[in-house]
Amino acid sequence: NAGVTQTPKFRVLKTGQSMTLLCAQDMNHEYMYWYRQDPGMGLRLIHYSVGEGTTAKGEVPDGYNVSRLKKQNFLLGLESAAPSQTSVYFCASSYSSDTGELFFGEGSRLTVL
Amino acid sequence: GQSLEQPSEVTAVEGAIVQINCTYQTSGFNGLFWYQQHAGEAPTFLSYNVLDGLEEKGRFSSFLSRSKGYSYLPLKELQMKDSASYFCAVSQGGKLIFGQGTELSVKP
Repeated sequence: NAGVTQTPKFRVLKTGQSMTLLCAQDMNHEYMYWYRQDPGMGLRLIHYSVGEGTTAKGEVPDGYNVSRLKKQNFLLGLESAAPSQTSVYFCASSYSSDTGELFFGEGSRLTVL
Repeated sequence: GQSLEQPSEVTAVEGAIVQINCTYQTSGFNGLFWYQQHAGEAPTFLSYNVLDGLEEKGRFSSFLSRSKGYSYLPLKELQMKDSASYFCAVSQGGKLIFGQGTELSVKP
């Protein structure tokens, strides 16, 4: 089982460039999330989706956009990358937000120079 | 909103018992979750509580007291492989918010 797959795994960008991180899940989960993780900061929620066609802001949404056109995919876009967006990004999915465990992808390490 | 507090580091010896604490100030949540993350890997689910009390799930149990605003993860018979970061998280309104995590170091 693939579970949650993130692409790319690594990426280096220059300030001002744009890029999209793709998250795909094959578990038919309704809920999908994008988190960023920085040293000493834990996991901070960027955006999330409670179903196909819906998105909502998390704790740190500025500078990011998301789309959930298909149930199995959740895309995270950086419109104009900044060094402050250097981080490890994790995608996750769950069947229930209240009682269901989150299944995480392996993470995408992004460096913005 | 949610505010979850965890100690940043805990050190213990192999074979010992340790308790990782999580205190919170929140306006309400549906469930409290615990996750483990080894260095360089993705977080993995350990346990969760909806009701007060001890929830036993194999090696990883978790305790919740809503009235006192805290949860803890008791780890027994520590093994070297338990060295990892441990995060508590609360679910509310479709999203899961994490604490900053506790780094557990198990020494021989």
